[in-house]
Formats: sequence, C-alpha cells, structure tokens
Amino acid sequence: EDKVVQSPLSLVVHEGDTVTLNCSYEVTNFRSLLWYKQEKKAPTFLFMLTSSGIEKKSGRLSSILDKKELFSILNITATQTGDSAVYLCAPRSGTYKYIFGTGTRLKVLA
Amino acid sequence: SAVISQKPSRDICQRGTSLTIQCQVDSQVTMMFWYRQQPGQSLTLIATANQGSEATYESGFVIDKFPISRPNLTFSTLTVSNMSPEDSSIYLCSANMQGDEQYFGPGTRLTVT
Repeated sequence: EDKVVQSPLSLVVHEGDTVTLNCSYEVTNFRSLLWYKQEKKAPTFLFMLTSSGIEKKSGRLSSILDKKELFSILNITATQTGDSAVYLCAPRSGTYKYIFGTGTRLKVLA
Repeated sequence: SAVISQKPSRDICQRGTSLTIQCQVDSQVTMMFWYRQQPGQSLTLIATANQGSEATYESGFVIDKFPISRPNLTFSTLTVSNMSPEDSSIYLCSANMQGDEQYFGPGTRLTVT
C-alpha cells in the first residue's frame, strides 16, 4: 500500500530560524514528488522533484529528493511569519495519482 | 501556472440536499481531479475526470454519491448528493499543467447541517 510520512507533525520557530521538513514515501511506480504550501483552503504549488540529488530552489525555499532512500526534504531559511502554513508533500504513484501526506504545520513567531 | 477557479467558494446546505461545485481552468487540460479534505485531515482523491470518458473513482467513493461531469477540456463539475454532516469538508479541484505539476483551485468549503 502506498504510504507517505511527513515529519515533524508540527513545528514552532522564531523569525530568522531555518527549518527542515521531511517527507518519506513508499509508492508504486514512483515518478515525481510535489511540495505544497497550504494556508487556508487551496494548496499552493512549490516544487516538483523528479531526479535525485538535484536541488530545486525558489528564494528562501529549497528542496531535494533522494530516490534511493525514498525521501525528500524542504528547507526554509530565514523564516518569516508569512511562512506559517501547513506544508504538504505528494509523491506520484503510477500514471497520475498523487498521494498526499498529512503535512507539517509550521508556525513562525515574530 | 494555471488559473483555476471554483464556485461556490463556500456553502451551507441542509442534509438530504445536493450541491454542484464547478471548476474552470483557463487552458485546456487532459486530466482534472477532485479531492476532499476533511477537517484536520490531508487531501484524499475522490476521482479523476477525463474529457469524453467516465470519471475514475477511488476506493470508497461512488458515482451515485459524487457524480462528475467533464463536458470539455476546461470545465468539470462535482455533485455531492444526498448530503449528510459527514460530507462537511473542503472540496478541491485540480489539474495537471506543464507535465506533472498539479495546480489547485481555491476550494469550496461545504458545511452540512
């Protein structure tokens, strides 16, 4: 059965801190992994990862995938209060289906 | 990235009634998806909607309860039928763009009383 585990479940940090969010997975016929930020209702797309060891970067956010060890991490440097959200990872299983983890709830204190 | 709109953004409905949620994408897409997110939970895929064919439902979801239409390559609807309080959730549509990148609409928050 496909499985996605995100850790930690929740995290409270102060502005300026660096955080690392983890996503481990076991899915059939893995093809890619997506990261999202969810603040209210709709998840906002952050990254798509397909190859091991190639870092994707956008501003203070970066992410990397390890297909051998079946995990991905999302790093956020110099956190701001606006980074407070639930972060979701979703590996793709088979031809089209993404399996969503339960997310990491990040709270950044001013 | 795609622009995906959904309506209504929220609704409060009485049990036993039905609600149809509309999803519009600003470009043609092959596959559209409908998810449910119950309070405190992650996203669960309800079904995949392809234009010109019947929707493919995930385990635990059936067409009689969640009929889906996909009349063209930019539009889909999800109906939540014969609602009960357990159907209170956020319903999200999404579409794959630029290959595997999946983008979401703004969501519909449904409360069933």
